[in-house]
Amino acid sequence: GAGVSQSPRYKVAKRGQDVALRCDPISGHVSLFWYQQALGQGPEFLTYFQNEAQLDKSGLPSDRFFAERPEGSVSTLKIQRTQQEDSAVYLCASSPQMGSGANVLTFGAGSRLTVL
Amino acid sequence: AQSVTQPDIHITVSEGASLELRCNYSYGATPYLFWYVQSPGQGLQLLLKYFSGDTLVQGIKGFEAEFKRSQSSFNLRKPSVHWSDAAEYFCAVGAHRSGYALNFGKGTSLLVTP
Repeated sequence: GAGVSQSPRYKVAKRGQDVALRCDPISGHVSLFWYQQALGQGPEFLTYFQNEAQLDKSGLPSDRFFAERPEGSVSTLKIQRTQQEDSAVYLCASSPQMGSGANVLTFGAGSRLTVL
Repeated sequence: AQSVTQPDIHITVSEGASLELRCNYSYGATPYLFWYVQSPGQGLQLLLKYFSGDTLVQGIKGFEAEFKRSQSSFNLRKPSVHWSDAAEYFCAVGAHRSGYALNFGKGTSLLVTP
């Protein structure tokens, strides 16, 4: 596609529910990143995929967070047993380059998660 | 510890006035430096980046930024602001030769008045 597509754009979950957020990166982009943006804050790194390999998951806040990219294209971020502190915008970004600090990222519009 | 600081949470400028948004970083090695802009309900868009070479870099929408190693700064400037520039601006730093993550500042919200 022309850009990075994320769905759903908005998700309201009751505390304890599981949620799944989808990211469809730009076709052919090798690198895919997930970031979490809390209200009034800058994005914070969650995890990085190079094709289907998850090379860095150091930013995932707990073992309730799980991400996958099984075929090296679409990625899903899953949050189990959601808590109120999980409320945030989850941003997906992709890049045609191999992962590094020099990656120029194209971001999706984000999925806004509200946990009640 | 690596950090990125944007000292100004909010800035208000009049349309047509000049703009400077500040960014300071603390990194152990030569960093890669970025400015992204985020409009409401939109993803982040790259304005410009600095990797090496000329310390004054030009970006889209008439923005420029200057890397000053001695001050650990990468301030964003625009000579004449347009109402459409109202948005959230984020400075970000990437590590050289290690790591995949960009480290973002907390952002500066720009309001443009008539």
